[in-house]
Amino acid sequence: DQQVKQNSPSLSVQEGRISILNCDYTNSMFDYFLWYKKYPAEGPTFLISISSIKDKNEDGRFTVFLNKSAKHLSLHIVPSQPGDSAVYFCAALPGVGGGSNYKLTFGKGTLLTVNP
Amino acid sequence: NAGVTQTPKFRVLKTGQSMTLLCAQDMNHEYMYWYRQDPGMGLRLIHYSVGEGTTAKGEVPDGYNVSRLKKQNFLLGLESAAPSQTSVYFCASSYFFDTSSPLHFGNGTRLTVT
Repeated sequence: DQQVKQNSPSLSVQEGRISILNCDYTNSMFDYFLWYKKYPAEGPTFLISISSIKDKNEDGRFTVFLNKSAKHLSLHIVPSQPGDSAVYFCAALPGVGGGSNYKLTFGKGTLLTVNP
Repeated sequence: NAGVTQTPKFRVLKTGQSMTLLCAQDMNHEYMYWYRQDPGMGLRLIHYSVGEGTTAKGEVPDGYNVSRLKKQNFLLGLESAAPSQTSVYFCASSYFFDTSSPLHFGNGTRLTVT
């Protein structure tokens, strides 16, 4: 039973346009959400996070939106750059401020390709 | 800064052979984790450690053992490798054990068991 779902295995966008990566979750106990970015032959790196007390968190070109009622979050990248081409993993934790990292649940990932 | 270093980067084993994957971190992190990533699956936690001398089971611990004899090192052992253990293995570490401390990952070990 997959608790964190990234239903799009891949996404292709043009440089300069917006990239929108989606993530759905089923566990209502999840309270904290993270996005990790992974380049080939490298480990994932932390990108941005959001807690359930917010509906938006922004960091430069990256914005994460959370819709708790729909159990849905999305990562927006504006403008997209070729260097953003990578696999993006959505991950979720139960318990804001007390959730233990060993409970981190990852989605399968979405491969983003940004074409010049 | 080295961060989290995994050795080896690649390994091919025959069924029944054993091996140890080494993870070393130089960030003085208390918490360390071993994940595996398989095609079409997210990362799944194998074992983790909340400090030197401690280990605990994650989501998929069967067939693996771990040891944390030194704070900076976390070893993952396969006593009798099986083809189902063909995967990419990632080690990670974090300073804290909660949402305030995202994981720092190594670059992975690609293991093939024939």
